[in-house]
Amino acid sequence: EVQLVESGGGLVQPGGSLRLSCAASGFTFSDHYMDWVRRAPGKGMEWVGRSRNKANSYSREYAASVKGRFTISRDDSQNSLYLQMNSLETEDTAVYYCVRSDSSGYCTFWGQGTLVTVSS
Amino acid sequence: DIQMTQSPSTLSTSVGDRVTITCRASQSISGWLAWYQQKPGKAPRLLIYKASSLQSGVPSRFSGSGSGTEFTLTISSLQPDDFATYFCQQYSGYPLTFGGGTKVEIK
Repeated sequence: EVQLVESGGGLVQPGGSLRLSCAASGFTFSDHYMDWVRRAPGKGMEWVGRSRNKANSYSREYAASVKGRFTISRDDSQNSLYLQMNSLETEDTAVYYCVRSDSSGYCTFWGQGTLVTVSS
Repeated sequence: DIQMTQSPSTLSTSVGDRVTITCRASQSISGWLAWYQQKPGKAPRLLIYKASSLQSGVPSRFSGSGSGTEFTLTISSLQPDDFATYFCQQYSGYPLTFGGGTKVEIK
């Protein structure tokens, strides 16, 4: 059974940092593209960024809104995906989802999400 | 960025009804469109990819159509388990973008 379990969310002050983790199981993690997607309160889904697989040199893409502040990394030996978030802004408040994606781009499986609240 | 516009934002309907949701792209995305279902407090679930391909395990009452800039998700006969929010996503190019969602609720 495919599972994606996010952790690391919580309350952080503006300007602070947080690291989200995603533990994957039930599939060959190293074969897959992995994404982070978020939903802010009352808004639609927003794609945050992508880590391609080893075959594609683990290259990454980011949304303009987070580029330079957020970093996606992965550890295939631990079947884990990470999102390091720095210089957090109140607009980053959202539920963050870990997502397995097809290489063509669509999201094949989503985790339950972890809530990040940026507030003073 | 490619903007995805869904309509309607809310749909009040009944069990057994045929439901159609529309997603429009601000530029052509060919057939690079997916549809998802999300229930409150649950993870989204992939229904349709490449505009019309049914994901494994998804009931055949769900179907997708369209290409270019206009796409539809159709539920042929709404079942009680289908009351949820549906949203589209384009994956023609980066950044990947999503529609705002359509909440299908009980009339």
